Amino acid sequence: EAQVTQNPRYLITVTGKKLTVTCSQNMNHEYMSWYRQDPGLGLRQIYYSMNVEVTDKGDVPEGYKVSRKEKRNFPLILESPSPNQTSLYFCASKGGLGQPQHFGDGTRLSIL
Amino acid sequence: SQQGEEDPQALSIQEGENATMNCSYKTSINNLQWYRQNSGRGLVHLILIRSNEREKHSGRLRVTLDTSKKSSSLLITASRAADTASYFCATDGGGSYIPTFGRGTSLIVHP
Repeated sequence: EAQVTQNPRYLITVTGKKLTVTCSQNMNHEYMSWYRQDPGLGLRQIYYSMNVEVTDKGDVPEGYKVSRKEKRNFPLILESPSPNQTSLYFCASKGGLGQPQHFGDGTRLSIL
Repeated sequence: SQQGEEDPQALSIQEGENATMNCSYKTSINNLQWYRQNSGRGLVHLILIRSNEREKHSGRLRVTLDTSKKSSSLLITASRAADTASYFCATDGGGSYIPTFGRGTSLIVHP
């Protein structure tokens, strides 16, 4: 089954403790991206990648890192999480220009 | 920056009625997509309309695109309680290969 898998689905952690949210897709898609969703603000793009070793900043990249060492994986790294990064995070992938995006089920992060 | 902006922010209707949501965007696009999100879940792609298309249908969904006005509408006919969700538009193009989303329209369909 074609899918985008995020882990963990839920995480409560403390300020400053590094964490990684994994994202994996099994559709051989070139494009992958991370969004955060906050009430009243919709989905905002954090980082995206158009291929292996090619990443670029979205609208709200501060405090986040990504890597794309393999085509299928696109982890989101919070080196020193802060409470303002408490949010619902989505990973998505798409096969090419003009193709729809496939979303993971989301990761709810709470930073205390 | 958010490219698509949906209107209204919230819509409440009775089962069987039609629901219309609008989306406006700012720059040129290659295509426009509509997605649906059930509470707290991932977004699901509904329909994609290319910039050279004016109207597209999929089941009870009808999407129109007016590139001269930089706007699109999503019509859900004969709505059902199960259509209750948030609906987002997203645009491809304008120099971005990854779609940017609006804030969404929250639709509630009362049984």
